[in-house]
Amino acid sequence: NAGVMQNPRHLVRRRGQEARLRCSPMKGHSHVYWYRQLPEEGLKFMVYLQKENIIDESGMPKERFSAEFPKEGPSILRIQQVVRGDSAAYFCATTGESYEQYFGPGTRLTVT
Amino acid sequence: RKEVEQDPGPFNVPEGATVAFNCTYSNSASQSFFWYRQDCRKEPKLLMSVYSSGNEDGRFTAQLNRASQYISLLIRDSKLSDSATYLCVVNRGDYKLSFGAGTTVTVRA
Repeated sequence: NAGVMQNPRHLVRRRGQEARLRCSPMKGHSHVYWYRQLPEEGLKFMVYLQKENIIDESGMPKERFSAEFPKEGPSILRIQQVVRGDSAAYFCATTGESYEQYFGPGTRLTVT
Repeated sequence: RKEVEQDPGPFNVPEGATVAFNCTYSNSASQSFFWYRQDCRKEPKLLMSVYSSGNEDGRFTAQLNRASQYISLLIRDSKLSDSATYLCVVNRGDYKLSFGAGTTVTVRA
């Protein structure tokens, strides 16, 4: 997985709470993609970030979701006021030399 | 129309059998193609890239047909460990990948 790390691996939140998901690409990689996978569905692109910049957030829901990739530290996907429909696996990925992507182990968010 | 479409299966095959399946893509400008495998909702892992001339990696063979806009994956001498969901992935030549929903393969003893 090219050393892509995500934490937490499992996260349980009650409706209305905030969820923060973290992704650390391997050192030297400055591009991060976030994907969501709902139960029994395929991967859906959410956002593409480079250090300190959001390049493409066309897959992000308009409300409650935000992402950042600061100069120092991991990329953060933040979901405010979670609802049951946010329960999913969230994967981040970084790119290889030929547009292939390498994924972290994912964070499984459960909203109760 | 979805950018990438796959037969969801499942393909249930005995050990040692050959299994093959396709996916179709809608964007004729697509540049790069990949097969990933995903086990039990774990992270997708790159299985192989797909080249215009077709390519093999051990028991796995991938083919690309640009004219008909489909790619295929063939698995020979199936092993129990090949049981997984196989994701067809297409890149337009920019930074974004489009994922199929996956084809489930189950290899039985």
